[in-house]
Amino acid sequence: SQQGEEDPQALSIQEGENATMNCSYKTSINNLQWYRQNSGRGLVHLILIRSNEREKHSGRLRVTLDTSKKSSSLLITASRAADTASYFCATAAGDSSYKLIFGSGTRLLVRP
Amino acid sequence: KAGVTQTPRYLIKTRGQQVTLSCSPISGHRSVSWYQQTPGQGLQFLFEYFSETQRNKGNFPGRFSGRQFSNSRSEMNVSTLELGDSALYLCASSLNRINTGELFFGEGSRLTVL
Repeated sequence: SQQGEEDPQALSIQEGENATMNCSYKTSINNLQWYRQNSGRGLVHLILIRSNEREKHSGRLRVTLDTSKKSSSLLITASRAADTASYFCATAAGDSSYKLIFGSGTRLLVRP
Repeated sequence: KAGVTQTPRYLIKTRGQQVTLSCSPISGHRSVSWYQQTPGQGLQFLFEYFSETQRNKGNFPGRFSGRQFSNSRSEMNVSTLELGDSALYLCASSLNRINTGELFFGEGSRLTVL
């Protein structure tokens, strides 16, 4: 089973609104990353947060991490039509397995 | 700096055939990892190569294999293709091991098995 599960599976918002996506995982992690994928293309790295960090910002992105709840959230503020994409969280296990496990993704549609 | 290059971008094969996909990482990156993406199973980790050695493998049958060359370029091979192998195969490179930082992905190789 996948390490990370995302919620919601799909999200439709108006341009200018904020979008929040959540990710839950099962085991201890070394870090958690968020990626964006435009339809059928490669993934683009957005942000990485380490297990000892609680919040991180990058431009219009804000990521939080709660290791006690094994969850993370990605907030995109003032969304734009160009933000339309699928968003995935990926967790790097805290053990020596060196696997990167992706969540099921959230499909975000930003309506102009 | 050139990004990650995957070839071919699209290919069609029939059941029972084999396929080889290629990935050229970003210059200086030592780790190459491979992922399979399907609508049903999502993104699944296949394997990681670091310094020409397979360091880890996901839950895939032995029909899936790969290698890494001394210049860090990597190939993955799928033998005896099955319909369920139809997928987008993504390659990613990173400076060090995959759990240490950012991955840079290629555009993928879309495989259709008929």
